Amino acid sequence: DQQVKQNSPSLSVQEGRISILNCDYTNSMFDYFLWYKKYPAEGPTFLISISSIKDKNEDGRFTVFLNKSAKHLSLHIVPSQPGDSAVYFCAASADQAGTALIFGKGTTLSVSS
Amino acid sequence: NAGVMQNPRHLVRRRGQEARLRCSPMKGHSHVYWYRQLPEEGLKFMVYLQKENIIDESGMPKERFSAEFPKEGPSILRIQQVVRGDSAAYFCASSLATRDEAFFGQGTRLTVV
Repeated sequence: DQQVKQNSPSLSVQEGRISILNCDYTNSMFDYFLWYKKYPAEGPTFLISISSIKDKNEDGRFTVFLNKSAKHLSLHIVPSQPGDSAVYFCAASADQAGTALIFGKGTTLSVSS
Repeated sequence: NAGVMQNPRHLVRRRGQEARLRCSPMKGHSHVYWYRQLPEEGLKFMVYLQKENIIDESGMPKERFSAEFPKEGPSILRIQQVVRGDSAAYFCASSLATRDEAFFGQGTRLTVV
């Protein structure tokens, strides 16, 4: 059973528009969430994170929103750029000793110019 | 400050052989995680280790797979008697502490022929 779900395998957006990537989780113990970006043949790189004590975290063009009651988070990229084209993974962890990040299956974002 | 180093980048093994994947964490990081990415799949957690200890191996297949992180030297993911289904990209990540973001290596792509 998947604890972290990214239900959209792919998303296509035009350059300059907003990209919204969604993530749902089932484990109510998760309290720390991260987004990673991955290019082909490379390892994932950390993008942005949010703790459950917040509902929003912003870093430049990237904003992550957390809705704890809905167990849902989203990553907004605005404006989208062609270089943002990559696979985006949502990850979550629980505040327990010895827990690793649990990843979703990823969403492939394509930004066209 | 070198990042997470994984080697080899590509590994080809015949069915029945052993595969050894190495991971040197970032300097100062004592937490190491192994993930596997199958084609068209997300990152699946395999094992979480600290120096000389396995913290969580709930994602490891029960047979043929083992991992270690000795006091000196890199972490090793060992797959005995490989089968075609083991073909995947194996990523190692390290972090300074349990709740810090993890930094990933570039992965080892294992192909079993």
